Order: sequence, then structure tokens, then C-alpha cells
Amino acid sequence: GAVVSQHPSRVICKSGTSVKIECRSLDFQATTMFWYRQFPKQSLMLMATSNEGSKATYEQGVEKDKFLINHASLTLSTLTVTSAHPEDSSFYICSARDRLTGNTGELFFGEGSRLTVL
Amino acid sequence: KQEVTQIPAALSVPEGENLVLNCSFTDSAIYNLQWFRQDPGKGLTSLLLIQSSQREQTSGRLNASLDKSSGRSTLYIAASQPGDSATYLCAATGNQFYFGTGTSLTVIP
Repeated sequence: GAVVSQHPSRVICKSGTSVKIECRSLDFQATTMFWYRQFPKQSLMLMATSNEGSKATYEQGVEKDKFLINHASLTLSTLTVTSAHPEDSSFYICSARDRLTGNTGELFFGEGSRLTVL
Repeated sequence: KQEVTQIPAALSVPEGENLVLNCSFTDSAIYNLQWFRQDPGKGLTSLLLIQSSQREQTSGRLNASLDKSSGRSTLYIAASQPGDSATYLCAATGNQFYFGTGTSLTVIP
């Protein structure tokens, strides 16, 4: 199957700093990428839909100034957690779909990034 | 808004047993339904994808069915193994992906 690479896998930072997480589709192009957040023992919560070349679409309740998303190319989307606080500590996962498969295509996930804010 | 529910939330079975995981969704206007596996602290691995026009898909010991009219999908695992222990998630795809709550499976050696 297609590969989505997410980096870093783990990051620990001090409160008030910003953290950038990268999501890359390695062997396909993705017009759309999705960012999820997962709390322990819970399912995935969609945060935003990242669209190449345009602004991301955020889910209700997700602060767009807090979670900056950039999708500058067909293979890379980034999520920046700005001025991180301990409550932002979570597992963040990205996913992507091959642009050639459209809305009916299979969704591929990165390995996730564990963020711990001290 | 689409709501996806998975039953049971947790399941523990002895090795070798066949088992069924259930997924139900409220809006039948989906493009497809996808089953995933998640190991602790890891991302999601795609297991099976069923397009809305299909009834089932099979991969090895896994078989997934889809009944759009009733809003249900099942994942059948044959001859379970300890390595199957993980959390299984289903996702219904419309314009977005909506994930179920997951079933935590433990296969006891």
C-alpha cells in the first residue's frame, strides 16, 4: 500500500513553544490530507482538512490560530501547534488519499506524532 | 452529521476462535467503508476497503461486509491469533472520514 510518513514521531517541548509536525505522502500525490487528534483510549477526532494550495478547513471547536496547517505541495502538509500548553499534549495523526482515486479512494495514515508539553 | 458506532468496545477471545466485530453508521450516503487496525502508540493500518457498491471484501483471514441500507458493516476474523490483538476501527467515508469508537481485541494464547 501507499506510504505516509509523519515526523517527528515523538516530541517533548516546554510550554509556550511552537512545534511543527510534517506529513508526507511518499509514493503518491495528495490533494487533500487530514489531521486527527487522539486522546488515550479514544477514537480519532478530525481536526482539519488540509487542501493543497488553499486554506485548511477546520472542524468546529478547533482553533485555527492555535493549529496552523500548511499544505504547500501535493506531498507535504504541516501542522504547527503554536504556543503549546500541557493540554495540547496528545497523539496527532495525519492521513492522505491519492488524488487519482478521488473521494472513493483508500485513506492511508502516518505513524502518528506523540506531543508532550511540559 | 454521520455517527459511527462499534460494538463491542472490548473483546477477549482464546486463540483460534473466529470472531465478528460490528460497525454501524447513521447516514447511508457513503462513498466507502474502511477498516483499520491500530497498535498501541501507533498510526492506523488499513485492512480492508469496501466501496459503496460492493457487499464484501476479503483479505487472508479477514472478511468485511457492508450493508448500506441497514447502516452496518462487520469484520470477520477467522482463526484468531495473538498477533491480531489490537484496536480495530471502522471509518465511513462521505466528504470526510468519520471514525467509529473502536473495538479493543485481545487474543489469548
